[in-house]
Amino acid sequence: SQKIEQNSEALNIQEGKTATLTCNYTNYSPAYLQWYRQDPGRGPVFLLLIRENEKEKRKERLKVTFDTTLKQSLFHITASQPADSATYLCAPISIPSGAGSYQLTFGKGTKLSVIP
Amino acid sequence: KAGVTQTPRYLIKTRGQQVTLSCSPISGHRSVSWYQQTPGQGLQFLFEYFSETQRNKGNFPGRFSGRQFSNSRSEMNVSTLELGDSALYLCASSHGTATYNEQFFGPGTRLTVL
Repeated sequence: SQKIEQNSEALNIQEGKTATLTCNYTNYSPAYLQWYRQDPGRGPVFLLLIRENEKEKRKERLKVTFDTTLKQSLFHITASQPADSATYLCAPISIPSGAGSYQLTFGKGTKLSVIP
Repeated sequence: KAGVTQTPRYLIKTRGQQVTLSCSPISGHRSVSWYQQTPGQGLQFLFEYFSETQRNKGNFPGRFSGRQFSNSRSEMNVSTLELGDSALYLCASSHGTATYNEQFFGPGTRLTVL
C-alpha cells in the first residue's frame, strides 16, 4: 500500500541554521508533491508545489527538492527564525488513471521548533 | 477574498448521535474536500466534491457522507457517532480544474464524542 514517511515527528534547530525536513514515499509514482505548513489549531497552509520534472524549487527562504529515483523530497528552510516553528506536511500527488480525480494523501508531518 | 469558513468551530456530541458540519469555500472555487485529522493517524482524506458530484472518496465507513450545493457550499454528515470519531475535521477548497491545485484549508471543526 502507499506509504508516506516524514523523517521525524519533531525537529529542534537553532535560530539562523538551515532546517531540513524529509519526505519519503513508497508504492507511489507521484507527478507532483506539495508542502504545507500547519500551526496549532489551524488548517494547513500551502507553501510549495514541485513537479516530477523539476529537481528543485525555491521560494524566498524555502527550497524543495524532488528525487523520483530515491522517492524522496527534501524541504529546506534557510536562516530559520522562531516564526518558522510549525508542523510541516508533505503530500505526494499521483495522477489518477481514467477520468477519476485525485486525492491528497499527507504525511503525518514534522514539528519544527526553532530555538532563539 | 474571504477564506474558507467552517461552522461550527467546536462541537460536543455523545455516542450514537449524528452530526452535520458545514463548509463555505472561497468564492469561485468549485472543489471542496474534507479531511479528518487525529494525532495518531494524521490528516486523512474523506471525500471530494466538484460541481455537486462526489468525485473521489477515501477509505472511511459509510457513516461518513457529504454533499455539495449549487453554490459550492458543502456539508459533511457523520451518523451513529463513535468515540473514535473525535477529531479535527477540515475542509479545503480549490479551483479543482487541475489535479495539483493548491488546497485552501478552513480552520476546522473540533468534534468531541463522549
